This record gives sequence, C-alpha cells and structure tokens, in this order.
Amino acid sequence: KQEVTQIPAALSVPEGENLVLNCSFTDSAIYNLQWFRQDPGKGLTSLLLIQSSQREQTSGRLNASLDKSSGRSTLYIAASQPGDSATYLCAVDQGGSEKLVFGKGTKLTVNP
Amino acid sequence: AAGVIQSPRHLIKEKRETATLKCYPIPRHDTVYWYQQGPGQDPQFLISFYEKMQSDKGSIPDRFSAQQFSDYHSELNMSSLELGDSALYFCASSLETGELFFGEGSRLTVL
Repeated sequence: KQEVTQIPAALSVPEGENLVLNCSFTDSAIYNLQWFRQDPGKGLTSLLLIQSSQREQTSGRLNASLDKSSGRSTLYIAASQPGDSATYLCAVDQGGSEKLVFGKGTKLTVNP
Repeated sequence: AAGVIQSPRHLIKEKRETATLKCYPIPRHDTVYWYQQGPGQDPQFLISFYEKMQSDKGSIPDRFSAQQFSDYHSELNMSSLELGDSALYFCASSLETGELFFGEGSRLTVL
C-alpha cells in the first residue's frame, strides 16, 4: 500500500528565505505527483503536476522535482512571502483511476 | 476560468439524518472524484466516476452512495449520519491529463 510522508510537519521561516519541502513515497510505480496548497478550512489549490517521465516542473517562484526511483519529491519556494503561509500537500497517483494518495502536509508559516 | 463548484458550502445535521452534497465539475472534464478530509487529516479518497459510471471506490462507508448525472454533475448521499462523518468533503474533476482540480469543499457538521 502506497504511503506518502512529508517532512517537516511544520516550518516557520522569515520572509525572503528560500525553502524546501520534502515528500517521500514508498511505491515508486506512480503515474504522476501533484503538489497542492491548502489554506485553513479551504479547498486544495493545485500548484504543480509532475508526470512520472518528468524530473521537474516550475511555476513562478515554485519548483518541484521528482526522483521516482528513490521515491522522493521536493517543492522549492524561492523568496518566500507571508502570503505563502499555508499547508502544502503532496499527492501521488498510482493508477488510471487517478485517485490520489496524500501526505499529511507541511504547514508553512512565513513571518514578515 | 470556471472551477469546480460544490454546494452547500456548509451543512449542519443531526445524528441519523441524511445529507446530500452536490458537485459541478469543470466543463468538459470527464472524471469526478470525492474525498473526505477529517479535522487535521489528509484527504481520503471515497469514490470516482468516469463518463457517469463508477470507476473506482475507496474508503466509502456503505451508508454513503454517489452518482454522476447526464450533465456530469455528481451527488454524494450520506445516510444515518454519525458524529465521525463531520468533515470537509471535496469534489475534484480532471481530464485525461491527470491533473485534479478541487472545489472549495462542503463542510459537514454532525451534532
């Protein structure tokens, strides 16, 4: 059974700092990996999708990498801002049904 | 751009009552998914539909049922509600690209 782990569970950084969020998964046979952002009590906003054949994806200040063989993904956030404060969830898709297995998230706080 | 629409956004029910949640996927998306997120938990997959047929089933209780209609909207029906059913219920939709887009969720509180 696929298990997704995110480290750290919580992270607090000063504004402007570059940071890395980590995601690991136990079964490397995945179709894709998706990073989401969730604000308290709100929905999930898709940030980046990495197909299994890809190594990384970039969107603005965000860069996500995927090392399928080692079961790892990282989300790099450059020049963090207070508005980046949220919980970041990593999710992997293993099958054509496209159901996602989520990690428990990393709660990020960016202090002004 | 149009997003996934869920209704109601908030719902309060008593134990043993019934609740129905609705989801309107992004236009032309052919797959709909339902997830349940308990307090402080990660989202758990419940059920999905592709082209109006159930395509996969996760940890959905027997008290819950769902369907997708001809206009592609989906409804999640929950009966004999229990306190533990209190959660955020998310609907998501996708195309064949595999990227899932989530709605804002429906918060169910069972008293």
